[in-house]
Amino acid sequence: DAGITQSPRHKVTETGTPVTLRCHQTENHRYMYWYRQDPGHGLRLIHYSYGVKDTDKGEVSDGYSVSRSKTEDFLLTLESATSSQTSVYFCAISEGQGAETQYFGPGTRLLVL
Amino acid sequence: DQQVKQNSPSLSVQEGRISILNCDYTNSMFDYFLWYKKYPAEGPTFLISISSIKDKNEDGRFTVFLNKSAKHLSLHIVPSQPGDSAVYFCAASNYQGAQKLVFGQGTRLTINP
Repeated sequence: DAGITQSPRHKVTETGTPVTLRCHQTENHRYMYWYRQDPGHGLRLIHYSYGVKDTDKGEVSDGYSVSRSKTEDFLLTLESATSSQTSVYFCAISEGQGAETQYFGPGTRLLVL
Repeated sequence: DQQVKQNSPSLSVQEGRISILNCDYTNSMFDYFLWYKKYPAEGPTFLISISSIKDKNEDGRFTVFLNKSAKHLSLHIVPSQPGDSAVYFCAASNYQGAQKLVFGQGTRLTINP
């Protein structure tokens, strides 16, 4: 299994509060991704990173920001959580640019009340 | 605009028989396709992939077929086993992009004894 951990694994928060999710990898892979999974939508890309301090938006980036100060860590922040951000969040990694496989972490289940 | 579609939300198959999961895509720029398997409360696990230069790829009990003219791919599992019960996602990307995967909505496969 790819060395990917996510923390926390579960979180309940209130509308309007900031939330940060962490993804940590031990594979030294260049690319890291954040997805959300919702019923009827599969997985949708929020943001991705192609190196330290290099990030870009995905399909559903509104309301989210990311940071990557070290190769091994990729943080996803909800500046002011809303109920529509209740979801399961998955981090993924891949070695580099090209048609390569992405490997996923175990997920974080977030409930925004 | 759903670029990757899995039109069957669920599929039930008898143990030992063939399971066939289908996926359609609309973006002709996609040239790399993957299948992931997901158990409850876990992250997606890579199963098998195929590039657009091929029309078939086999790995043990799993075979993926790609029909570029129809923009259709399928995953065959033979023989189906109880442990194959899971949600299956197809995903697509292209070599020129930052490996951003676009996922289908998923198909829940149930293998009955």
